[in-house]
Amino acid sequence: QQQVKQSPQSLIVQKGGISIINCAYENTAFDYFPWYQQFPGKGPALLIAIRPDVSEKKEGRFTISFNKSAKQFSLHIMDSQPGDSATYFCAASIMNTGTASKLTFGTGTRLQVTL
Amino acid sequence: EPEVTQTPSHQVTQMGQEVILRCVPISNHLYFYWYRQILGQKVEFLVSFYNNEISEKSEIFDDQFSVERPDGSNFTLKIRSTKLEDSAMYFCASTGAYWGYTFGSGTRLTVV
Repeated sequence: QQQVKQSPQSLIVQKGGISIINCAYENTAFDYFPWYQQFPGKGPALLIAIRPDVSEKKEGRFTISFNKSAKQFSLHIMDSQPGDSATYFCAASIMNTGTASKLTFGTGTRLQVTL
Repeated sequence: EPEVTQTPSHQVTQMGQEVILRCVPISNHLYFYWYRQILGQKVEFLVSFYNNEISEKSEIFDDQFSVERPDGSNFTLKIRSTKLEDSAMYFCASTGAYWGYTFGSGTRLTVV
């Protein structure tokens, strides 16, 4: 029940196109859903995150769409650029006040943006 | 921008040897974590640490693993007797009172 399922495993998008990565979770106690971007040899870097009280959050070219009833959330990258080529991980967590909160990661999507 | 610093960046060790991976979390952060990522796989939670004790640990974090905050700045992960399957990238992370993890760049551990 702690799993976060992510798809697709890999994605090739042309420059200027829209990249869409999907995640689904089972544990309804999750209340924090971040997306991480990872370049080779580097640690994951927080890209954007959402709480379940909103259905969408946008930051620049990156948008999270959240569907609480379906227990799904997705990352949309508008106007994809070659510099966006990286591995993207969705994650989920239970944000308890006053205690450490572990992240449960999806399996990752390797995005390649071609010219 | 504050960073989480990990050393060494790459460690090669013989099976059965002890290794210590070191991390310097962001100075005003309160919660500390270790995660690992086997090559090409997802990032997996190992352990969280708060107020000088383990908050939570995963099934991976067995008796061969230990964590310590020996002083006010360092946070270490020790693997007592390494196995081949311990080969992975190990990431340290820290968080403050609010959300938003900061991950280090990782230590690539290779057990031969």
